[in-house]
Amino acid sequence: DTGVSQNPRHKITKRGQNVTFRCDPISEHNRLYWYRQTLGQGPEFLTYFQNEAQLEKSRLLSDRFSAERPKGSFSTLEIQRTEQGDSAMYLCASSPGTGGNEKLFFGSGTQLSVL
Amino acid sequence: EDQVTQSPEALRLQEGESSSLNCSYTVSGLRGLFWYRQDPGKGPEFLFTLYSAGEEKEKERLKATLTKKESFLHITAPKPEDSATYLCAVLGAGGTSYGKLTFGQGTILTVHP
Repeated sequence: DTGVSQNPRHKITKRGQNVTFRCDPISEHNRLYWYRQTLGQGPEFLTYFQNEAQLEKSRLLSDRFSAERPKGSFSTLEIQRTEQGDSAMYLCASSPGTGGNEKLFFGSGTQLSVL
Repeated sequence: EDQVTQSPEALRLQEGESSSLNCSYTVSGLRGLFWYRQDPGKGPEFLFTLYSAGEEKEKERLKATLTKKESFLHITAPKPEDSATYLCAVLGAGGTSYGKLTFGQGTILTVHP
């Protein structure tokens, strides 16, 4: 069990630039989630994949955000035209997807700073 | 809309001094209440899932309990390595996802030797 892997760990960008983050879930997990966490707050749900299908998106996920999970393996989260308010920790989590006992395994996150 | 409020925001304890963290919630159709531990610079780590009022779960020095309106995380004789942020989350009946959790803001626990 190598755990959920996220890259990069840190990203500093200028306002208006595009950024892309990658998440590699635990290999046998078919459910994948993206969350966002700001300082002093708990994580907030962004989106959910069952295999390659994106089944749910939060209203927090504006049209500048897009997530993909090709072939149901790794996932990418892209933010276009970044704004200072996008600065946060972006967390990826995966789960086995067997029934309703949803124990999420989180990665260590990508810390985004928008200057 | 599901809501979770945790108290206190921060708690400082001496090693061996037992205490409790509170998680109050409102949810339409509780499917599960979760406790996670988060260390600085890392993602949350799963601790417990509780499903119905009256349920209790234990792990080492931690014990989680659940009522219809709140959950408590009891810490017995804590050690410095228990220092972390403890997050409470609920899974409600809305949405298609089993992992669409609503988290509280967390309680930062510091245990001094």
